[in-house]
Amino acid sequence: GENVEQHPSTLSVQEGDSAVIKCTYSDSASNYFPWYKQELGKRPQLIIDIRSNVGEKKDQRIAVTLNKTAKHFSLHITETQPEDSAVYFCAAGGYSTLTFGKGTMLLVSP
Amino acid sequence: DVKVTQSSRYLVKRTGEKVFLECVQDMDHENMFWYRQDPGLGLRLIYFSYDVKMKEKGDIPEGYSVSREKKERFSLILESASTNQTSMYLCASSEEALPPYEQYFGPGTRLTVT
Repeated sequence: GENVEQHPSTLSVQEGDSAVIKCTYSDSASNYFPWYKQELGKRPQLIIDIRSNVGEKKDQRIAVTLNKTAKHFSLHITETQPEDSAVYFCAAGGYSTLTFGKGTMLLVSP
Repeated sequence: DVKVTQSSRYLVKRTGEKVFLECVQDMDHENMFWYRQDPGLGLRLIYFSYDVKMKEKGDIPEGYSVSREKKERFSLILESASTNQTSMYLCASSEEALPPYEQYFGPGTRLTVT
């Protein structure tokens, strides 16, 4: 089955800095790569996703890049704000199901 | 707005008890999922269902079963609860099976087995 590795497990940045979270996947059949954000005590919510026929996607301060050859994808957050503090999960999937990474706790200090 | 609800936010059960966790979605979604979330382990798929009365094993189905008698409701059953099943359980649903598909999560049930 699919295996998704996510790094780092924790990331501390100052407000205004950029943050990068990296994931690798093992199954070359995976063609969908979403990112979920889970604030403390809340449910995970989709923040951005990318399909395998696209190399990069941007939505305001967040962007995701995909290198299909190397089987890795990354989340980039620019101009971080305290409200970006949360656990971020990457995932890889194909038909119907997703395999999630173990999560990255991002702490943004004012 | 998609709404996914779970029957309990917190549940405490004794070892050996039969436990039912209920999930209901109100958006007529075909696909429903049960995950468990443990610190440092992320979200792991227990079972999923793509239609009424249909179920598929996920990555960690041992010790669990599921039931989907109606499209909107997906139940997770612990036949004989054990302490290693103490965890946060998250239900999710999605409309599509082909990408892109957003999974909408419920608020979670924190289960403690003593």
